Order: sequence, then C-alpha cells, then structure tokens
Amino acid sequence: AQTVTQSQPEMSVQEAETVTLSCTYDTSESDYYLFWYKQPPSRQMILVIRQEAYKQQNATENRFSVNFQKAAKSFSLKISDSQLGDAAMYFCAYRRTGQLTFGSGTQLTVLP
Amino acid sequence: DAGVIQSPRHEVTEMGQEVTLRCKPISGHNSLFWYRQTMMRGLELLIYFNNNVPIDDSGMPEDRFSAKMPNASFSTLKIQPSEPRDSAVYFCASSLRSGTSGEQFFGPGTRLTVL
Repeated sequence: AQTVTQSQPEMSVQEAETVTLSCTYDTSESDYYLFWYKQPPSRQMILVIRQEAYKQQNATENRFSVNFQKAAKSFSLKISDSQLGDAAMYFCAYRRTGQLTFGSGTQLTVLP
Repeated sequence: DAGVIQSPRHEVTEMGQEVTLRCKPISGHNSLFWYRQTMMRGLELLIYFNNNVPIDDSGMPEDRFSAKMPNASFSTLKIQPSEPRDSAVYFCASSLRSGTSGEQFFGPGTRLTVL
C-alpha cells in the first residue's frame, strides 16, 4: 500500500521569507500524481500544486514550487515570499488511481 | 460553478441516532469520494464511486456506515447507529474522472459531533 510521510508536524516562517515543507512517499508504481493541499482554519481543502510523476520538470504556481525527486520518492513544497494568508495546514497527497492518500500534515505558521 | 456542496455543515447528535450526510458533486464530474478527517487518523478515504457505482468501500469502518449514489448529482453517507468515535469532519470530493490526472475538488465538509 502507498504511504505518504510528512515528518514536520509544525513549521514557522517569517513573513516575506521562504519555507520548505517536506514529504516522502512509498510506491512501486511509476505513473502517479502528487499533490499539495492547503487547509486553512475554515477547513476547506484547497489544491496548491500538483506534479505528474512522468514529468521531470518541477511544477510551479506563482510563489509555490516543488522539488520532485522521483528516485528518492521525495516531494517538497517551497513557498517563497510567505504571506500571512499562507498560514494553514498543508497536506501532501499521492494518487495512482481512485482515491488520494494523504500525509499527516504540516501546520505552517507565518510570523509578521 | 457552485463547487461541491455538502449539507449539513454541522451536525450534533446523540449516540444511537441515525445521521445522514449529503453531497452534491460538481456538475459533469463522474467520480465522487467520501473522506473522513480525525486528529488520530488524519484524512482517510471511506468510499468512492465512478458513474454512480461504488468502486472501493474498503475504508468504510463497519456495517454502521453506508453510502449511496442514486444519481450523478447526489450522494449520501449514513451512519446508523452513530457512536461518539464517529465524531469527525466528513468531506465529499468529486473529479472529472477517476484516473490519475483528475483533480479532486473538495466540499466544505460536515463537522459531526456525536455525544
């Protein structure tokens, strides 16, 4: 079974600084998708970014980018120029077919 | 588009009562997922449907839980009888297709409290 591990339960970053959230996963498949979801206090799950495993190029979405290391099964999220609105729980997720498998989440605090 | 709609947003009930959670997926989406979020277990899949047919219900905790999707625009998750350990946030999500590339869109969740 696929597993997703987020080893940082909590992280903090100063406003305007850069922070990296870590994620590793375990799979024997070669074709899959990886995602980062953001869950603010409103508890709405919001897709931040996604990465196709067959693409070597790292995905970017404005201030958000990933470092995808397929051989190492690592998928970290970098948030540049952090803003107060980035404060939330961040979940890494894996999808081969059907459902998403989530990590345990990283609570990000942004300090003014 | 209104997005995925869930009702109720909050539900408080007493142990032993029947609880029904409702979900309306995004129009045109043919895959629907029910997830549960708890502090202890995080986010976990309960069941998902493709074209209204249950595909994987291995995450359904026990016989007290049942889910239906009578048509493409409506699904229910029922707990009967409810227990305090069922207290959690229940999310419904839908996607255009169940393949790997189909992004899942989440509803706002239903916070269930069983006293």
